[in-house]
Amino acid sequence: GAVVSQHPSRVICKSGTSVKIECRSLDFQATTMFWYRQFPKQSLMLMATSNEGSKATYEQGVEKDKFLINHASLTLSTLTVTSAHPEDSSFYICSARDVEWTSTDTQYFGPGTRLTVL
Amino acid sequence: KQEVTQIPAALSVPEGENLVLNCSFTDSAIYNLQWFRQDPGKGLTSLLLIQSSQREQTSGRLNASLDKSSGRSTLYIAASQPGDSATYLCAVIKNTDKLIFGTGTRLQVFP
Repeated sequence: GAVVSQHPSRVICKSGTSVKIECRSLDFQATTMFWYRQFPKQSLMLMATSNEGSKATYEQGVEKDKFLINHASLTLSTLTVTSAHPEDSSFYICSARDVEWTSTDTQYFGPGTRLTVL
Repeated sequence: KQEVTQIPAALSVPEGENLVLNCSFTDSAIYNLQWFRQDPGKGLTSLLLIQSSQREQTSGRLNASLDKSSGRSTLYIAASQPGDSATYLCAVIKNTDKLIFGTGTRLQVFP
């Protein structure tokens, strides 16, 4: 089956630093990847849609200058949390859609990255 | 704005029981609906995807139904097992790609 990996799985950083999270599709190509955020005991909220070779599309209320997304290849998207603050502490999950995706197919989700900002 | 609600928020049952998890959504103009499982601190595993033209899907002990007109979906788990313990999320799919997730049901099945 299709596998999506995320790195790192867990990161702890000081307030004010930047953190980069990688999302990779391991055995398929993904023109579109999605980034979600999940606060404790809450559901997943879509942050942005990442398109290979073009700018990401951000959801309302998500600061594009704070959450930088780069999708430079068909297998890799990165999310950089710039100048992280404690309120950015959350579980970040990516998903990827196969280039041959159809409406009956699922997106494939990564295992998530736990970010803790001290 | 589409809102997706799941009831109950938490459920604890003995092994062997048949379960029904509920998902309701406010805007019936959806493309598909999907049920996921999330284990603590982990990503999501897709369980069932129901297209808007379908009324139900089955996979093993799982059966999901969809009633678009009433804005409801149910996930039926037969003969529950401790390994079924997880959080179950439903998500409605709009515009072929955006998933809007529900609030989740935390299920615990004890031996």
